[in-house]
Amino acid sequence: EAGVAQSPRYKIIEKRQSVAFWCNPISGHATLYWYQQILGQGPKLLIQFQNNGVVDDSQLPKDRFSAERLKGVDSTLKIQPAKLEDSAVYLCASSFFRGGYEQYFGPGTRLTVT
Amino acid sequence: GQQLNQSPQSMFIQEGEDVSMNCTSSSIFNTWLWYKQDPGEGPVLLIALYKAGELTSNGRLTAQFGITRKDSFLNISASIPSDVGIYFCAGHTQMEYGNKLVFGAGTILRVKS
Repeated sequence: EAGVAQSPRYKIIEKRQSVAFWCNPISGHATLYWYQQILGQGPKLLIQFQNNGVVDDSQLPKDRFSAERLKGVDSTLKIQPAKLEDSAVYLCASSFFRGGYEQYFGPGTRLTVT
Repeated sequence: GQQLNQSPQSMFIQEGEDVSMNCTSSSIFNTWLWYKQDPGEGPVLLIALYKAGELTSNGRLTAQFGITRKDSFLNISASIPSDVGIYFCAGHTQMEYGNKLVFGAGTILRVKS
């Protein structure tokens, strides 16, 4: 079974530029999550989707971050404009159903904002 | 908000040693999970614990869900070099709008030279 796919793996941008990350979850997983992991910390949830609807985006900085999952499968996370403090690894995870405790992570996208 | 405290922050292992780490919180969690993260990769699920008092093994790994539901520990027996990495505990709570995982800051396992 293929795991969670993410691209790109690495991205370097200047502050105030825009960037987008893509995620394709495990086939059949209805719930998709985006996490931000700052160096030396555990992952922090940004947004959770159930199929193509947002379940929880309480931790998403909505003035600059946006995410969508239009067809209920793959998802895109965008930052516009980026700030220095957005430098982090952005992880996508999926679980089989909404109450699924076991989340499976992709390899992440390492973003560096200069 | 909910926070998980992991200890130790880092430790050195020698091949063959047993390793213990734990995770505590002031909040109650319904489920505890332990993940391992290698450099440049996403966290990989090691063990999931669903009931207070539960003791679960996965090969050389053993984890327990504390009776108070506010703590968990992970033991690694007879460590090998590939055990090096960062270990995260995560507590799961059921919110009215879905489920949420809260992660600790991790325990870094390094090899003693």
